[in-house]
Amino acid sequence: AQRVTQPEKLLSVFKGAPVELKCNYSYSGSPELFWYVQYSRQRLQLLLRHISRESIKGFTADLNKGETSFHLKKPFAQEEDSAMYYCALRESSGDKLTFGTGTRLAVRP
Amino acid sequence: SQTIHQWPATLVQPVGSPLSLECTVEGTSNPNLYWYRQAAGRGLQLLFYSVGIGQISSEVPQNLSASRPQDRQFILSSKKLLLSDSGFYLCAWSAAGHSPLHFGNGTRLTVT
Repeated sequence: AQRVTQPEKLLSVFKGAPVELKCNYSYSGSPELFWYVQYSRQRLQLLLRHISRESIKGFTADLNKGETSFHLKKPFAQEEDSAMYYCALRESSGDKLTFGTGTRLAVRP
Repeated sequence: SQTIHQWPATLVQPVGSPLSLECTVEGTSNPNLYWYRQAAGRGLQLLFYSVGIGQISSEVPQNLSASRPQDRQFILSSKKLLLSDSGFYLCAWSAAGHSPLHFGNGTRLTVT
């Protein structure tokens, strides 16, 4: 069965520092990977997906099939980036998303 | 545009009482519908999903059930709540095919 691992429960950085939120997955096929974000008092929302290969709010994520990773990166963190981040995987033939346990990012001034 | 409504926002129920959480989607047809439970340290656990009316897939054995009586309505139910059913429940929808999920605001359920 597919599995998504986010090893860090909490990541705390200073404003302006680089950020990397780790995500590793286990799946034998060709997965589709997503990052979702939940800001305080807001609903969970899509941040980006690997097939789009775009940068959203300065964040990027590259699918590395060799390392089975989809780490989320931003070169300079902002205080408004503080939120809960979830990595998710969809099987190539499936309709459901499997989520990781989430990483809380805290950006300090 | 598409919108998803989930209610109630919060609910406090005694052990042994029934449960009914409702989710509706507007602005789209034949969506895939999902119920997740979000727990601290455990992430989002998929409970049920549906790709059409009357089609329900259960992901984990539990005290809950789901139904889809109409195309854009998804209901999460229980006949008798347990303390362990307390949690934050999220409904979501996606277009058929490889589309991202769109989440509702969630329901905070406390079983006392």
